[in-house]
Amino acid sequence: GEDVEQSLFLSVREGDSSVINCTYTDSSSTYLYWYKQEPGAGLQLLTYIFSNMDMKQDQRLTVLLNKKDKHLSLRIADTQTGDSAIYFCAPWGAGGYNKLIFGAGTRLAVHP
Amino acid sequence: DAGITQSPRHKVTETGTPVTLRCHQTENHRYMYWYRQDPGHGLRLIHYSYGVKDTDKGEVSDGYSVSRSKTEDFLLTLESATSSQTSVYFCATKTSGGGDTGELFFGEGSRLTVL
Repeated sequence: GEDVEQSLFLSVREGDSSVINCTYTDSSSTYLYWYKQEPGAGLQLLTYIFSNMDMKQDQRLTVLLNKKDKHLSLRIADTQTGDSAIYFCAPWGAGGYNKLIFGAGTRLAVHP
Repeated sequence: DAGITQSPRHKVTETGTPVTLRCHQTENHRYMYWYRQDPGHGLRLIHYSYGVKDTDKGEVSDGYSVSRSKTEDFLLTLESATSSQTSVYFCATKTSGGGDTGELFFGEGSRLTVL
């Protein structure tokens, strides 16, 4: 089945850029999502990219997609303490149509 | 906000007892999902539903059953709870048709502890 891998922890200083990486195995994914989970809450969609795009920018967020290497990354510019959360990568189509398979999540800790 | 309510939000039970978690949505979304979240494993799909009375298994379905008798309700049942089922359970929904971008809308989670 589909395998989605992320590193589990990332610690950055406030104001620096954060880069969260994800690798996946199913090349048929049509959308690739980043979800954010704040403490004690459910997940919320942060951003997504279509599989026919290489890059998408949305304010402080930049998503890069390398389809050849099946690698997805999320860059957060000027990281703030409010960005502290768990970030999940989720390629759609990976688990079969209408089943979204998530990576293990990367916990981002932002320190002063 | 897709108006997803999970109940109970917290439950402590003993090994061997049955447990039912309820997910209620007000958005008339066709698809509904149950995930469990455990440290180091992220979210894993237990079961999902693609319509009333239509359900299918996910990655970790053993020990769980589901039912969907109405569009708005999706029940997850642990027939005989075990300590390995201690987890946080999330319900999610998704629309279908032209407005479908694949986005899932999540409930707040139900924390289950099996002693």
